[in-house]
Amino acid sequence: GQQLNQSPQSMFIQEGEDVSMNCTSSSIFNTWLWYKQDPGEGPVLLIALYKAGELTSNGRLTAQFGITRKDSFLNISASIPSDVGIYFCAGQSGGSNYKLTFGKGTLLTVNP
Amino acid sequence: DGGITQSPKYLFRKEGQNVTLSCEQNLNHDAMYWYRQDPGQGLRLIYYSQIVNDFQKGDIAEGYSVSREKKESFPLTVTSAQKNPTAFYLCASRATGDKAFFGQGTRLTVV
Repeated sequence: GQQLNQSPQSMFIQEGEDVSMNCTSSSIFNTWLWYKQDPGEGPVLLIALYKAGELTSNGRLTAQFGITRKDSFLNISASIPSDVGIYFCAGQSGGSNYKLTFGKGTLLTVNP
Repeated sequence: DGGITQSPKYLFRKEGQNVTLSCEQNLNHDAMYWYRQDPGQGLRLIYYSQIVNDFQKGDIAEGYSVSREKKESFPLTVTSAQKNPTAFYLCASRATGDKAFFGQGTRLTVV
């Protein structure tokens, strides 16, 4: 089946630093989604990407859909303590396939 | 308010009992999903449904069952055949080719 490799698995950074995480796939995706999950809660959508090469921002967050359609990255600039959480990427291969595949997540810790 | 609602938030079950987790959405989404999350782990797909009265097994369907009698509802039954049912269960819904939205999750504990 489809595999999504998300890295890094965890990150420990100082407040104010920039962060980057990425996902790579063994197959082509038509949609990439990035989520953030707080402890004990459901994931919340951060950014959705629909076209190869697309670069989209949401406040301090920027995500890009890779040209090969097999990868995506998420950047967080000027991190703050409330950025703490688990970040997940998800991809869909398109067509009539509704299945969403998730990465294993990146645990982000921000030290004040 | 539009959204996706899971209930209950916390659920306790005795070993050997079946239990059903509720998921309702009023977003008019065609597709609905159930995921399982274990501590420190990612999301694993249990079942998904693209349309009413149709559903497909995900990667870890054994010991679970679902139904999709209405567009708005996609209940998940955790049966006694599921060997390690204690987990955090997440339901999601999605319009065709668009973003998926999650409920707040149900934490199931087997006692």
